[in-house]
Amino acid sequence: DIVMTQTPLSLSVTPGQPASISCKSSQSLLHSDGKTYLYWYLQKPGQPPQVLIYEVSNRLSGVPDRFSGSGSGTDFTLKISRVEAEDVGVYYCMQSIQLPLTFGGGTKVEIK
Amino acid sequence: EVQLVESGGVLVKPGGSLRLSCAASGFTFSNAWMNWVRQVPGKGLEWVGRIKSKTDGGTTDYAAPVKGRFTISRDDSKDMVYLQMNSLKTDDTAVYYCSILRLKWGQGTLVTVSS
Repeated sequence: DIVMTQTPLSLSVTPGQPASISCKSSQSLLHSDGKTYLYWYLQKPGQPPQVLIYEVSNRLSGVPDRFSGSGSGTDFTLKISRVEAEDVGVYYCMQSIQLPLTFGGGTKVEIK
Repeated sequence: EVQLVESGGVLVKPGGSLRLSCAASGFTFSNAWMNWVRQVPGKGLEWVGRIKSKTDGGTTDYAAPVKGRFTISRDDSKDMVYLQMNSLKTDDTAVYYCSILRLKWGQGTLVTVSS
């Protein structure tokens, strides 16, 4: 199974400041079709996960542009340019290049 | 608006069976690969399985812990996907989400396996 490792486990951020979450996979997520199958989700308290980013850097429609994804191969990053109070929750990365699909352990973001 | 609404979660005894349903709307369901993901309350996310669209073969795949016990099916005429859960164990206790992974997750339904 592909292991997804997220760091840090938690993050406390002042509103308006940037935040960055790392996700590393144990194998390359680059498919032969040229796409890289790495997703980012945010699970706000008491809610189901919501899609932020698919295929490394594609923001789902409606996701604020303060969220951006980058990376390649096995190393990926989610950045929030200016954290807002509504961004609190747990962020997960996930790979879908190989079965079973696997998730990172999550990064909890809170506001200072 | 894309919507996924799960139902069927209840308290069931170990060894019992349960069928979860997921009603989809707001998109072309027949083209979608549908996934089930579960989450023990307060813990992380675990993929359970998926069913491909019929045009992509309609085949299913499962995570090792549920293979042979859980079955995913779909009814494109009703825009529904199902998760049949047999031989339930206490470790299956979780919130179960249906999901189009790159688009939307449902609100989830809680399954509790306990005597």
